[in-house]
Amino acid sequence: SAVISQKPSRDICQRGTSLTIQCQVDSQVTMMFWYRQQPGQSLTLIATANQGSEATYESGFVIDKFPISRPNLTFSTLTVSNMSPEDSSIYLCSVGTGTDYGYTFGSGTRLTVV
Amino acid sequence: GQQVMQIPQYQHVQEGEDFTTYCNSSTTLSNIQWYKQRPGGHPVFLIQLVKSGEVKKQKRLTFQFGEAKKNSSLHITATQTTDVGTYFCAERTGGKLIFGQGTELSVKP
Repeated sequence: SAVISQKPSRDICQRGTSLTIQCQVDSQVTMMFWYRQQPGQSLTLIATANQGSEATYESGFVIDKFPISRPNLTFSTLTVSNMSPEDSSIYLCSVGTGTDYGYTFGSGTRLTVV
Repeated sequence: GQQVMQIPQYQHVQEGEDFTTYCNSSTTLSNIQWYKQRPGGHPVFLIQLVKSGEVKKQKRLTFQFGEAKKNSSLHITATQTTDVGTYFCAERTGGKLIFGQGTELSVKP
Protein backbone atom coordinates (compact mmCIF):
# COMPACT_ATOMS: atom_id res chain seq x y z
CA SER A 1 0.00 0.00 0.00
CA ALA A 2 0.98 3.63 -0.44
CA VAL A 3 2.94 5.53 2.18
CA ILE A 4 1.89 9.10 2.94
CA SER A 5 3.98 11.76 4.60
CA GLN A 6 1.82 14.49 6.09
CA LYS A 7 3.02 17.67 7.72
CA PRO A 8 2.90 19.47 9.98
CA SER A 9 1.84 16.92 12.57
CA ARG A 10 0.42 19.62 14.79
CA ASP A 11 0.21 23.38 15.03
CA ILE A 12 -1.25 26.08 17.21
CA CYS A 13 -2.44 29.06 15.20
CA GLN A 14 -3.90 32.46 15.88
CA ARG A 15 -7.42 33.12 14.72
CA GLY A 16 -7.61 34.91 11.40
CA THR A 17 -4.46 33.30 10.04
CA SER A 18 -4.10 30.44 7.54
CA LEU A 19 -2.32 27.09 7.71
CA THR A 20 -1.25 24.94 4.79
CA ILE A 21 -1.03 21.18 5.27
CA GLN A 22 1.02 19.05 2.90
CA CYS A 23 0.73 15.43 1.88
CA GLN A 24 3.35 13.57 -0.13
CA VAL A 25 2.62 10.07 -1.44
CA ASP A 26 5.32 7.60 -2.42
CA SER A 27 3.47 6.57 -5.60
CA GLN A 28 1.31 8.23 -8.21
CA VAL A 29 -2.39 8.30 -7.37
CA THR A 30 -5.30 9.72 -9.30
CA MET A 31 -7.34 10.99 -6.39
CA MET A 32 -6.36 12.31 -3.00
CA PHE A 33 -8.90 12.98 -0.29
CA TRP A 34 -8.94 15.44 2.57
CA TYR A 35 -10.86 14.70 5.77
CA ARG A 36 -11.62 16.55 8.96
CA GLN A 37 -12.03 14.77 12.27
CA GLN A 38 -13.35 16.88 15.10
CA PRO A 39 -12.54 15.74 18.65
CA GLY A 40 -14.25 12.48 19.44
CA GLN A 41 -16.04 12.41 16.10
CA SER A 42 -15.94 10.46 12.86
CA LEU A 43 -14.16 11.49 9.69
CA THR A 44 -15.91 13.95 7.40
CA LEU A 45 -14.79 14.28 3.81
CA ILE A 46 -13.86 17.84 2.89
CA ALA A 47 -12.92 17.42 -0.75
CA THR A 48 -11.42 15.22 -3.43
CA ALA A 49 -8.27 16.54 -5.08
CA ASN A 50 -7.68 15.57 -8.69
CA GLN A 51 -4.52 16.38 -10.57
CA GLY A 52 -5.09 18.89 -13.34
CA SER A 53 -8.54 19.99 -12.28
CA GLU A 54 -10.26 21.82 -9.47
CA ALA A 55 -11.00 19.94 -6.30
CA THR A 56 -14.51 18.65 -5.71
CA TYR A 57 -15.91 19.87 -2.40
CA GLU A 58 -18.50 18.15 -0.23
CA SER A 59 -21.59 19.88 1.04
CA GLY A 60 -20.71 22.37 3.74
CA PHE A 61 -17.14 22.98 2.56
CA VAL A 62 -16.11 25.76 0.17
CA ILE A 63 -13.00 26.54 -1.80
CA ASP A 64 -12.50 29.97 -0.24
CA LYS A 65 -12.20 28.40 3.20
CA PHE A 66 -10.31 25.25 2.21
CA PRO A 67 -8.33 25.87 -0.98
CA ILE A 68 -6.62 22.77 -2.29
CA SER A 69 -3.72 22.36 -4.67
CA ARG A 70 -2.77 19.23 -6.58
CA PRO A 71 0.23 20.07 -8.73
CA ASN A 72 1.14 16.47 -9.54
CA LEU A 73 0.12 12.88 -8.91
CA THR A 74 2.09 12.51 -5.66
CA PHE A 75 1.44 15.75 -3.79
CA SER A 76 -1.43 17.87 -2.47
CA THR A 77 -1.94 20.70 -0.04
CA LEU A 78 -4.96 21.81 1.96
CA THR A 79 -5.11 25.34 3.33
CA VAL A 80 -7.37 26.23 6.23
CA SER A 81 -8.03 29.93 5.72
CA ASN A 82 -9.07 32.71 8.07
CA MET A 83 -9.12 30.28 10.96
CA SER A 84 -11.44 30.40 13.94
CA PRO A 85 -11.49 28.19 17.05
CA GLU A 86 -14.20 26.08 15.35
CA ASP A 87 -11.56 24.94 12.85
CA SER A 88 -9.67 23.16 15.63
CA SER A 89 -9.63 19.56 14.41
CA ILE A 90 -7.48 16.84 13.03
CA TYR A 91 -7.05 17.06 9.26
CA LEU A 92 -6.09 13.93 7.35
CA CYS A 93 -5.25 13.18 3.76
CA SER A 94 -5.96 9.81 2.21
CA VAL A 95 -5.46 7.85 -0.98
CA GLY A 96 -7.08 4.75 -2.37
CA THR A 97 -4.90 1.95 -3.64
CA GLY A 98 -7.20 0.00 -5.92
CA THR A 99 -10.75 -1.24 -5.80
CA ASP A 100 -9.93 -4.30 -3.71
CA TYR A 101 -7.88 -2.54 -1.12
CA GLY A 102 -8.48 -0.07 1.58
CA TYR A 103 -7.49 3.51 1.80
CA THR A 104 -4.25 4.72 3.33
CA PHE A 105 -4.25 7.75 5.60
CA GLY A 106 -1.61 10.26 6.50
CA SER A 107 -0.73 10.56 10.16
CA GLY A 108 -2.89 13.67 10.48
CA THR A 109 -2.41 17.32 11.40
CA ARG A 110 -3.73 18.30 14.81
CA LEU A 111 -4.75 21.95 14.52
CA THR A 112 -5.58 24.17 17.48
CA VAL A 113 -6.82 27.69 16.82
CA VAL A 114 -6.56 30.16 19.67
CA GLY B 1 -27.07 11.49 1.12
CA GLN B 2 -26.09 7.96 1.94
CA GLN B 3 -25.35 7.50 5.59
CA VAL B 4 -24.15 4.47 7.46
CA MET B 5 -25.32 4.31 11.07
CA GLN B 6 -22.98 2.62 13.52
CA ILE B 7 -23.76 1.38 17.04
CA PRO B 8 -22.91 1.44 19.84
CA GLN B 9 -21.03 4.70 20.15
CA TYR B 10 -19.01 3.41 23.10
CA GLN B 11 -18.31 -0.01 24.51
CA HIS B 12 -16.43 -0.77 27.69
CA VAL B 13 -15.46 -4.38 28.25
CA GLN B 14 -13.37 -6.44 30.61
CA GLU B 15 -10.36 -8.03 28.99
CA GLY B 16 -11.38 -11.44 27.68
CA GLU B 17 -14.96 -10.45 26.94
CA ASP B 18 -16.29 -10.31 23.40
CA PHE B 19 -17.15 -7.12 21.51
CA THR B 20 -19.40 -6.41 18.55
CA THR B 21 -20.07 -3.24 16.58
CA TYR B 22 -22.81 -2.91 13.97
CA CYS B 23 -23.30 -0.81 10.87
CA ASN B 24 -26.70 -0.33 9.28
CA SER B 25 -27.87 1.39 6.14
CA SER B 26 -31.33 2.16 4.81
CA THR B 27 -30.13 1.44 1.29
CA THR B 28 -28.09 -1.34 -0.26
CA LEU B 29 -24.36 -0.94 0.19
CA SER B 30 -22.04 -1.74 -2.67
CA ASN B 31 -19.30 -2.65 -0.21
CA ILE B 32 -18.26 -2.08 3.37
CA GLN B 33 -14.81 -1.45 4.72
CA TRP B 34 -13.65 -1.55 8.32
CA TYR B 35 -10.95 0.61 9.88
CA LYS B 36 -9.32 0.81 13.30
CA GLN B 37 -8.05 4.05 14.76
CA ARG B 38 -5.88 3.78 17.83
CA PRO B 39 -5.98 6.70 20.30
CA GLY B 40 -3.93 9.52 18.80
CA GLY B 41 -3.49 7.62 15.56
CA HIS B 42 -4.96 7.57 12.10
CA PRO B 43 -7.42 5.06 10.61
CA VAL B 44 -5.89 1.81 9.46
CA PHE B 45 -7.63 -0.44 6.96
CA LEU B 46 -8.75 -3.82 8.30
CA ILE B 47 -10.88 -5.44 5.61
CA GLN B 48 -13.35 -4.99 2.76
CA LEU B 49 -16.56 -6.98 2.22
CA VAL B 50 -18.39 -6.91 -1.10
CA LYS B 51 -20.53 -10.04 -1.39
CA SER B 52 -23.93 -10.69 0.14
CA GLY B 53 -23.57 -12.81 3.29
CA GLU B 54 -19.78 -12.62 3.16
CA VAL B 55 -17.87 -13.60 6.30
CA LYS B 56 -14.17 -12.96 6.75
CA LYS B 57 -11.91 -13.67 9.69
CA GLN B 58 -8.66 -12.17 10.87
CA LYS B 59 -7.46 -14.03 13.96
CA ARG B 60 -9.91 -12.97 16.70
CA LEU B 61 -11.83 -10.59 14.40
CA THR B 62 -14.86 -11.73 12.41
CA PHE B 63 -16.46 -9.50 9.81
CA GLN B 64 -19.89 -10.10 8.30
CA PHE B 65 -21.86 -8.52 5.50
CA GLY B 66 -25.61 -8.99 5.66
CA GLU B 67 -27.56 -10.97 3.10
CA ALA B 68 -29.35 -7.83 1.94
CA LYS B 69 -26.09 -5.85 1.98
CA LYS B 70 -27.65 -3.30 4.29
CA ASN B 71 -25.73 -4.14 7.42
CA SER B 72 -22.37 -5.34 8.60
CA SER B 73 -20.76 -6.32 11.87
CA LEU B 74 -17.33 -6.65 13.39
CA HIS B 75 -16.95 -9.12 16.24
CA ILE B 76 -13.86 -9.45 18.40
CA THR B 77 -13.52 -12.61 20.45
CA ALA B 78 -11.76 -12.44 23.82
CA THR B 79 -10.70 -8.81 23.69
CA GLN B 80 -7.21 -7.77 24.63
CA THR B 81 -5.88 -4.38 25.71
CA THR B 82 -4.30 -4.03 22.27
CA ASP B 83 -7.81 -3.93 20.77
CA VAL B 84 -8.44 -0.50 22.30
CA GLY B 85 -9.42 2.13 19.75
CA THR B 86 -12.26 3.31 17.58
CA TYR B 87 -13.63 1.01 14.91
CA PHE B 88 -15.20 2.59 11.85
CA CYS B 89 -17.20 1.11 9.05
CA ALA B 90 -17.17 2.95 5.75
CA GLU B 91 -18.69 2.58 2.31
CA ARG B 92 -16.58 3.21 -0.75
CA THR B 93 -18.81 5.09 -3.17
CA GLY B 94 -17.87 7.15 -6.20
CA GLY B 95 -14.22 6.60 -5.34
CA LYS B 96 -14.53 8.19 -1.90
CA LEU B 97 -15.08 6.79 1.58
CA ILE B 98 -18.11 7.70 3.68
CA PHE B 99 -17.61 6.77 7.32
CA GLY B 100 -19.97 5.61 10.00
CA GLN B 101 -19.86 7.34 13.37
CA GLY B 102 -17.48 4.79 14.88
CA THR B 103 -17.51 2.67 18.02
CA GLU B 104 -14.96 3.48 20.68
CA LEU B 105 -13.78 0.37 22.47
CA SER B 106 -12.10 0.48 25.85
CA VAL B 107 -10.75 -2.68 27.49
CA LYS B 108 -10.20 -2.94 31.20
CA PRO B 109 -7.32 -5.27 32.11
